[in-house]
Amino acid sequence: GESVGLHLPTLSVQEGDNSIINCAYSNSASDYFIWYKQESGKGPQFIIDIRSNMDKRQGQRVTVLLNKTVKHLSLQIAATQPGDSAVYFCADLQGGKLIFGQGTELSVKP
Amino acid sequence: EPEVTQTPSHQVTQMGQEVILRCVPISNHLYFYWYRQILGQKVEFLVSFYNNEISEKSEIFDDQFSVERPDGSNFTLKIRSTKLEDSAMYFCASSDGVRQQETQYFGPGTRLLVL
Repeated sequence: GESVGLHLPTLSVQEGDNSIINCAYSNSASDYFIWYKQESGKGPQFIIDIRSNMDKRQGQRVTVLLNKTVKHLSLQIAATQPGDSAVYFCADLQGGKLIFGQGTELSVKP
Repeated sequence: EPEVTQTPSHQVTQMGQEVILRCVPISNHLYFYWYRQILGQKVEFLVSFYNNEISEKSEIFDDQFSVERPDGSNFTLKIRSTKLEDSAMYFCASSDGVRQQETQYFGPGTRLLVL
């Protein structure tokens, strides 16, 4: 079936290090992906998106990589800060609805 | 910066009671959505709404659920007879554009607890 999954449920990094959060998807027809950040008790917050005609997109301190061959998506956060601590979800837009992965909880150690 | 707002932030209700969750989407957005997140689980799609009608709904969105846009700004989710398993965070989202391939922006959520 259609699904979006994440490789690791938790990730712990040292403040200042780079973080990489991975995501796999199964639907070959998927063409739009979004990373969301969810802090405790809050709604998902848009971070960055990428369409299937691209393999890389950069934002402020964040980069998303898309490998359509292996159906893999990653989010890279440069110089991770304590404020980056949250659960990160990749989501795949299918026919107007978002299909979310399970989420990776990022913890940043001072 | 425009944002999606939701009320109430928390709602406690007895099983079998009706609840209405309210959302004010971003003002120039055309597509509206409800999602839910059971504690510790991933966010799940419930329903999408465009041009005053449901565009798509999931298996979760059964006859106990309904959505309405009663005026030009509010978007509501009604659960007619709540069940224990309806306890979850409910998120409203909205997106812009004539195509559905637009980023969805989420509200802060309503935490529903059914006792």
